[in-house]
Amino acid sequence: GAGVSQTPSNKVTEKGKYVELRCDPISGHTALYWYRQSLGQGPEFLIYFQGTGAADDSGLPNDRFFAVRPEGSVSTLKIQRTERGDSAVYLCASSSGRQGATDTQYFGPGTRLTVL
Amino acid sequence: AQKITQTQPGMFVQEKEAVTLDCTYDTSDPSYGLFWYKQPSSGEMIFLIYQGSYDQQNATEGRYSLNFQKARKSANLVISASQLGDSAMYFCAMREMGYSTLTFGKGTMLLVSP
Repeated sequence: GAGVSQTPSNKVTEKGKYVELRCDPISGHTALYWYRQSLGQGPEFLIYFQGTGAADDSGLPNDRFFAVRPEGSVSTLKIQRTERGDSAVYLCASSSGRQGATDTQYFGPGTRLTVL
Repeated sequence: AQKITQTQPGMFVQEKEAVTLDCTYDTSDPSYGLFWYKQPSSGEMIFLIYQGSYDQQNATEGRYSLNFQKARKSANLVISASQLGDSAMYFCAMREMGYSTLTFGKGTMLLVSP
């Protein structure tokens, strides 16, 4: 079946603008995750959804970042008043959502965000 | 303290040789899972292999195997018979019981030469 998809693949915006990044998870996966990867680093957790609700948003850096998943499938990460430091690759992952450490996360190709 | 440590920023190996990528982790949770992902230049994170903290045997998936030493808190990835297509960044990650998220190391860049 289809994997995790993310759009756009690249986004260039100006400082202060608003951006939306979209993630379409693997069909049937109830858990969805957003990570941010800066150059030369591993991905860092932002937010996790179980179904429609944000089960853990402790990784969001500040209140400019917000994410939704209104129907329990597609998710949108929203960044207000973008800053140059927001430039990174934003990765989305999904998993079956079953309990336990074995729940493997499958990642999308990412959205490369550049804030000028 | 770093929860996942990958001490090798870069590794070189010749085609058809085996290579070991190091990963040590830090947790007080008795139940956890360890994952390895491959990230080619295209950017997508590709799941390779999983090891559970209670698994008695080392995990294997084709040419990938995990050298799991629980007392030393290490989970090294072994790639046998390297191929040119193995050139990529490799990330070790951990998921602790009670948490749904992964914590990643900084990665190791592997270059396979002909």
